[in-house]
Amino acid sequence: DGGITQSPKYLFRKEGQNVTLSCEQNLNHDAMYWYRQDPGQGLRLIYYSQIVNDFQKGDIAEGYSVSREKKESFPLTVTSAQKNPTAFYLCATKDRGNQPQHFGDGTRLSIL
Amino acid sequence: AQSVSQHNHHVILSEAASLELGCNYSYGGTVNLFWYVQYPGQHLQLLLKYFSGDPLVKGIKGFEAEFIKSKFSFNLRKPSVQWSDTAEYFCAVKGNTGKLIFGQGTTLQVKP
Repeated sequence: DGGITQSPKYLFRKEGQNVTLSCEQNLNHDAMYWYRQDPGQGLRLIYYSQIVNDFQKGDIAEGYSVSREKKESFPLTVTSAQKNPTAFYLCATKDRGNQPQHFGDGTRLSIL
Repeated sequence: AQSVSQHNHHVILSEAASLELGCNYSYGGTVNLFWYVQYPGQHLQLLLKYFSGDPLVKGIKGFEAEFIKSKFSFNLRKPSVQWSDTAEYFCAVKGNTGKLIFGQGTTLQVKP
C-alpha cells in the first residue's frame, strides 16, 4: 500500500550482527504488525502493537525485538539470537474496528 | 490453537478455466475471514473479506468466496481465470485472539 513504507527492500547481514528493518506508515492506523514469510509456510506473526508504547509477542518472537515509540513507526530488529533469519519480512497496519490489515512491500533479508 | 489450512499448494490452470481454492479453519466461534493475493514482486493485497451477513462475498477482479459455517470453510472461486491471475493466494482468519492467522498459501500458475 502507498501508505506503508518498508526499507530497505533488500538487506544482507553477516552472522552475529543485529539488523533493523524499518516500517513507517502515514495511514494513521493504530495497530502495526510484523510477519515473516517463508515458502510453504504462509505468514507467521512475529510482533504486533495495538497502540503506541505497547507491543505483544506473536507466534515466533524469539530472536526479534521491536519498539513503538511513535504511531507512525514500528521498527523490527533481527538479533543474532535468531538462528534462521533469512526470510521475507512484511509489515502491516490496521485501522480500528472491523478492518482488514494493509501490507507494505516487504524487506528480503539474507545472511552472508 | 486456531489454524488455517489451504488444501492446494500449487495449482496450474489454463486460461478460461474455473478456479476454486480451498480454505478451512479450526476455530468454532465468530470469525472474520480474508483472502489476500500476492502478485509477483508486489505486496499483499486484499481480495475480499467476510465479517457478517451474506455468506457469498464478492471481491475485486471477479473473485468471490463462500463462507460455509458448518464446514468451517471459506473457499475462493473465479469462473474464468486469466494469465494475470498468476500469483500466490493466502487465506486468513481472525478469531477471538484478534490475531490474523494465515494459511500456507497457494501458488496459482495460469498458462496462456
